[in-house]
Amino acid sequence: QSALTQPASVSGSPGQSITISCTGTSSDVGGYNYVSWYQQHPGKAPKLMIYEVSNRPSGVSNRFSGSKSGNTASLTISGLQAEDEADYYCSSYTSSSALLLFGGGTKLTVL
Amino acid sequence: QVQLQESGPGLVQPSQTLSLTCTVSGGSISSGGYYWSWIRQPPGKGLEWIGYIYYSGNTYYNPSLKSRVTISVDTSKNQFSLKLNSVTAADTAVYYCALDTSGYSRSDYWGQGTLVTVSS
Repeated sequence: QSALTQPASVSGSPGQSITISCTGTSSDVGGYNYVSWYQQHPGKAPKLMIYEVSNRPSGVSNRFSGSKSGNTASLTISGLQAEDEADYYCSSYTSSSALLLFGGGTKLTVL
Repeated sequence: QVQLQESGPGLVQPSQTLSLTCTVSGGSISSGGYYWSWIRQPPGKGLEWIGYIYYSGNTYYNPSLKSRVTISVDTSKNQFSLKLNSVTAADTAVYYCALDTSGYSRSDYWGQGTLVTVSS
């Protein structure tokens, strides 16, 4: 089972908004509302930022939002801050035997 | 607040078995509805789901690793474990344990991760 497809890198200036895409298939992203997004700073464990496409865990800034259209999910970060610079991974449930898939990750650079 | 901590050897020889334990504090591993997960990340690469065990003991594995993986729970010690046999250099990675509260990749809690190197 192939990983979900994410852009390798995105960048933005402080205060701007950026969007990271995550493309799958109708067997995973497109078929279920079980897409999650994780933030990972260097040397640290991933942190859950979004679950079930658009839900934020308690304590996560409302600058982070998620959405989905067809087989592509998106993470949008508004009001970009220096601390948002990190790697971001999407994840999805899949009806295949693989059960859970991750994307290849996107490196966000805050200029 | 649930906390997880991985432990185990940092160096494993090729063809041997990698064994890691995750100790859970701040909550009971017997709590219903939770999935206790293992996820790994090769150096400089992305995340890979290894598998998880439901509180009832049912296990679910990534098909690419299924023939080599065993995840088990020790409720008396509030721990769960990972065994990966016949390892090669490709298994070198940071291994994370995590608590998935839904089974659909909602991993709210993670351990700090432990680097396991496969080398002779």
